[in-house]
Amino acid sequence: DAGVIQSPRHEVTEMGQEVTLRCKPISGHDYLFWYRQTMMRGLELLIYFNNNVPIDDSGMPEDRFSAKMPNASFSTLKIQPSEPRDSAVYFCASSLAGNIQYFGAGTRLSVL
Amino acid sequence: GQQVMQIPQYQHVQEGEDFTTYCNSSTTLSNIQWYKQRPGGHPVFLIQLVKSGEVKKQKRLTFQFGEAKKNSSLHITATQTTDVGTYFCAPGGHGGTASKLTFGTGTRLQVTL
Repeated sequence: DAGVIQSPRHEVTEMGQEVTLRCKPISGHDYLFWYRQTMMRGLELLIYFNNNVPIDDSGMPEDRFSAKMPNASFSTLKIQPSEPRDSAVYFCASSLAGNIQYFGAGTRLSVL
Repeated sequence: GQQVMQIPQYQHVQEGEDFTTYCNSSTTLSNIQWYKQRPGGHPVFLIQLVKSGEVKKQKRLTFQFGEAKKNSSLHITATQTTDVGTYFCAPGGHGGTASKLTFGTGTRLQVTL
């Protein structure tokens, strides 16, 4: 298995632009998680899905952030409009039955 | 998820020295996982502890879950440069699974020759 695949690996955008991050979980996994990592705040859980249904989005910072999981093999995290303080590394992770989490390589986002 | 405090935040050791990081909670944990993140990399699962007083070993790494299930530790014997990275503890949810993890602040380990 190729593991969790995230794209793009790096994204540089200007303030106000829309950003879409993509994630393909490991085939057969029923949980998918989106995290944000910064030096100041560490690794924060933004939202997670179980069987494509959002279960807990309490970590989503504000309405500018939205996440979808239209099917078992794809999820997106969208930021619209983006702001410089959104600059971070965004990780997607998946797990089977909510146990061990397997992380993707992450997307490094820079908002100028 | 549960809130935890990890100490120390940073440790610098010489190769061959031992290293320990601690994870403390004010509430009882159902289980706890440990992850390692290499510089520029992503978190990678190391171990899960479930039982009170549980001790698990992986080569030079020893993981322990406290008797009261409120704390956990990771001890590395005779560190090597390959041990460099940030070690996170992550308490899981209830019911024996860890559907929602709350990652600790992590302990960054630097190892020099």
